[in-house]
Amino acid sequence: AEKVIQVWSTASRQEGEELTLDCSYETSQVLYHLFWYKHLLSGEMVFLIRQTSSSTAKERSGRYSVVFQKSLKSISLIISALQPDDSGKYFCALWELAEDRGSALGRLHFGAGTQLIVIP
Amino acid sequence: DTTVKQNPRYKLARVGKPVNLICSQTMNHDTMYWYQKKPNQAPKLLLFYYDKILNREADTFEKFQSSRPNNSFCSLYIGSAGLEYSAMYLCASSRDVQPTGQLYFGEGSKLTVL
Repeated sequence: AEKVIQVWSTASRQEGEELTLDCSYETSQVLYHLFWYKHLLSGEMVFLIRQTSSSTAKERSGRYSVVFQKSLKSISLIISALQPDDSGKYFCALWELAEDRGSALGRLHFGAGTQLIVIP
Repeated sequence: DTTVKQNPRYKLARVGKPVNLICSQTMNHDTMYWYQKKPNQAPKLLLFYYDKILNREADTFEKFQSSRPNNSFCSLYIGSAGLEYSAMYLCASSRDVQPTGQLYFGEGSKLTVL
């Protein structure tokens, strides 16, 4: 079963609008981290914002913010004042510890991504 | 310098031939990861090193090998490439095995197997 689900494979908005990208996840861990990354055309994955499961703070970084609904195992990325350069593929990721051969090691699981097109 | 560098950026390989991809970082990060990314799919974790300890995912255990001769370098080795290995390979590093920060990714190595 997929651990991270991004329902929408594509989205498009006009420049200046606001966009919400949804992500749901599955974990049995108490402590975990959620990330949003943007995949550039160059191939690089760029970190955007992080949410820790134990935090109730509303995370924000520039034009990026998240809505974290822990009980629903959902995290949404909000991008305000969209610009054409925001076009790209956005990935939601879940980091959790997993028992492996007697040691607890962390793994980062990605969703399939949502392709965003911002129309000038 | 917070960059992760990958070489080569593009690799063309024949079926059955070996492939070696290189990754380096100068941030003194403990952990280095390799992901495989195919179009319209989620990046898939192949393996990662925490310090000198290699951890390979169960479903890719026999398909990929890796070495980390020092803290800065990590390689991904395919002994005999098949068509299904065509993909973008992303290397990443993090400060420790519990990323309270984030993973830093390289630009990727695009492998095409013919």
